[in-house]
Amino acid sequence: QQQVKQSPQSLIVQKGGISIINCAYENTAFDYFPWYQQFPGKGPALLIAIRPDVSEKKEGRFTISFNKSAKQFSLHIMDSQPGDSATYFCAAQEYGNKLVFGAGTILRVKS
Amino acid sequence: ETGVTQSPTHLIKTRGQQVTLRCSSQSGHNTVSWYQQALGQGPQFIFQYYREEENGRGNFPPRFSGLQFPNYSSELNVNALELDDSALYLCASRAMEEAVEQFFGPGTRLTVL
Repeated sequence: QQQVKQSPQSLIVQKGGISIINCAYENTAFDYFPWYQQFPGKGPALLIAIRPDVSEKKEGRFTISFNKSAKQFSLHIMDSQPGDSATYFCAAQEYGNKLVFGAGTILRVKS
Repeated sequence: ETGVTQSPTHLIKTRGQQVTLRCSSQSGHNTVSWYQQALGQGPQFIFQYYREEENGRGNFPPRFSGLQFPNYSSELNVNALELDDSALYLCASRAMEEAVEQFFGPGTRLTVL
């Protein structure tokens, strides 16, 4: 049962471009939406997260856009760099409970 | 402040065997969750421990069990290993009463032959 749907499965972006990854959720009880970055052979690292009471959060080159009515949220990576090449996971959490992850997006930034 | 650590890094077992994986939570974190990440997939929640009690479980059979110790470190035990148990096992910790952010360890790569 996939409660968080993530797209695209893979993404190739030129250096300096914008990478956009989208996620949709079903459970309206989710109240915390983090994004994780994972490099091969490593654990997921928390990148940025948002609560549903705000529509956008920006940290450096990373921005989350959140649409509560559509039950969708997205990650934008501005000025994408080769070092950003990794797998990105969106997730959703109901307070105190488990994280439910999307299937992941493999990002490759071409130099 | 040390992050989440896991041991061992890699492990190879044969079908039917039992395995124990270990996790030390980040300093100040009293909640530990375990996730299974199959190759090319997102992590799947196994269970969560808070103050030495299991307080949430995902869709995993009883042969997956765990413990949390007074120092908040944790173990994941898997009995009667199956080939499909081959995966990266991730431990995540957080401070339950203070924040929702979960921080993951590097994982243990388990291969079942």
